Amino acid sequence: KAGVTQTPRYLIKTRGQQVTLSCSPISGHRSVSWYQQTPGQGLQFLFEYFSETQRNKGNFPGRFSGRQFSNSRSEMNVSTLELGDSALYLCASKHLGQANTGELFFGEGSRLTVL
Amino acid sequence: GENVEQHPSTLSVQEGDSAVIKCTYSDSASNYFPWYKQELGKRPQLIIDIRSNVGEKKDQRIAVTLNKTAKHFSLHITETQPEDSAVYFCAASIKGGSEKLVFGKGMKLTVNP
Repeated sequence: KAGVTQTPRYLIKTRGQQVTLSCSPISGHRSVSWYQQTPGQGLQFLFEYFSETQRNKGNFPGRFSGRQFSNSRSEMNVSTLELGDSALYLCASKHLGQANTGELFFGEGSRLTVL
Repeated sequence: GENVEQHPSTLSVQEGDSAVIKCTYSDSASNYFPWYKQELGKRPQLIIDIRSNVGEKKDQRIAVTLNKTAKHFSLHITETQPEDSAVYFCAASIKGGSEKLVFGKGMKLTVNP
């Protein structure tokens, strides 16, 4: 079974631009979460989607948004990029229902650099 | 607000020594506590987890203990090996629209051969 796939793996943007990151969860996983990882700050929760609906949201400004499609693939968008948005963005999927053990399966991340 | 504190932030041990990582959480309703290991350049992966109905869980060289009264939990690694070198994250479940995880800031463990 293929793992969580994130694209692009690396990207460089300039301040003020916007970026869209994509995540394909493990087949059968309907919950997708997004995390921002920066040195010294650990993994900060952005949001979680299930069945195309946002179920949870972290404490990030409205510039950060996401969505989920009917095939469970998810995208996150960051508008009006700031230098502080430079980070590794990790997507994680989870199997809900009886097979749910609570385990998050992470992708390898999209490393965003804002210049 | 919801918070998970993790200590220490870095730890260096000799191969064969034990390592302990401690975390505290703020939400008394938290009932699920996983630990993730992230090797350099790799994705985080679950190594062990514990739920609030047990106080200790062990899997070979790693064990996790939970003290709900004090709201802290710890990861114990015995007989450390160089391949244990990684960043370790603790997390606690928080109730929101659904259960979500709040992670600590991570601890970088270095095992010197």
